[in-house]
Amino acid sequence: AQKVTQAQTEISVVEKEDVTLDCVYETRDTTYYLFWYKQPPSGELVFLIRRNSFDEQNEISGRYSWNFQKSTSSFNFTITASQVVDSAVYFCALSGTQNSNSGYALNFGKGTSLLVTP
Amino acid sequence: DGGITQSPKYLFRKEGQNVTLSCEQNLNHDAMYWYRQDPGQGLRLIYYSQIVNDFQKGDIAEGYSVSREKKESFPLTVTSAQKNPTAFYLCASRIAPTGTEAFFGQGTRLTVV
Repeated sequence: AQKVTQAQTEISVVEKEDVTLDCVYETRDTTYYLFWYKQPPSGELVFLIRRNSFDEQNEISGRYSWNFQKSTSSFNFTITASQVVDSAVYFCALSGTQNSNSGYALNFGKGTSLLVTP
Repeated sequence: DGGITQSPKYLFRKEGQNVTLSCEQNLNHDAMYWYRQDPGQGLRLIYYSQIVNDFQKGDIAEGYSVSREKKESFPLTVTSAQKNPTAFYLCASRIAPTGTEAFFGQGTRLTVV
């Protein structure tokens, strides 16, 4: 079975602080995909990044960076110099390649609510 | 513009009534999904379809039904058998069943009154 754990339910930071959102996953698949999504107050999920299990390179996109470590089954997300517009719920998700009870659907963690205050 | 359209955005239903949520995509995606979101629960999979005329139950399918008669459409019916239907419902699609990111609609907030 696949499982995604986002232990941080809510995080509150002051603008310009760096913040890291944790994601730990469980899977028996040897090939799998990890994702991060942002859900602003409007409700629609916005795709941020996809990572496959064979690519452990860290990635940076502007103020966003991702740290993928297979040894600890983690795929953490860091926002540098946070801004008020970063306030949202962030979801980590996992998708396998072996057909299971959920097909190949994305399995989501419960999300981390990030509040950035001025 | 290509994307996923869910309608309506807000829906109110009386207890005991069935209601259908619409999901249309013009991305030419094969796979489509319905998720339910409750506060603090993340997204839970209701039904998914990997190809036209085929669909499978997800983790919380009881009280729901779907159809996939056209590639671009995947409507979800919330039946009176669903004990606690008040929730936020999200539809998603992917170009292929695995390995690619899913794109989401804006969601439908269903309230039972």
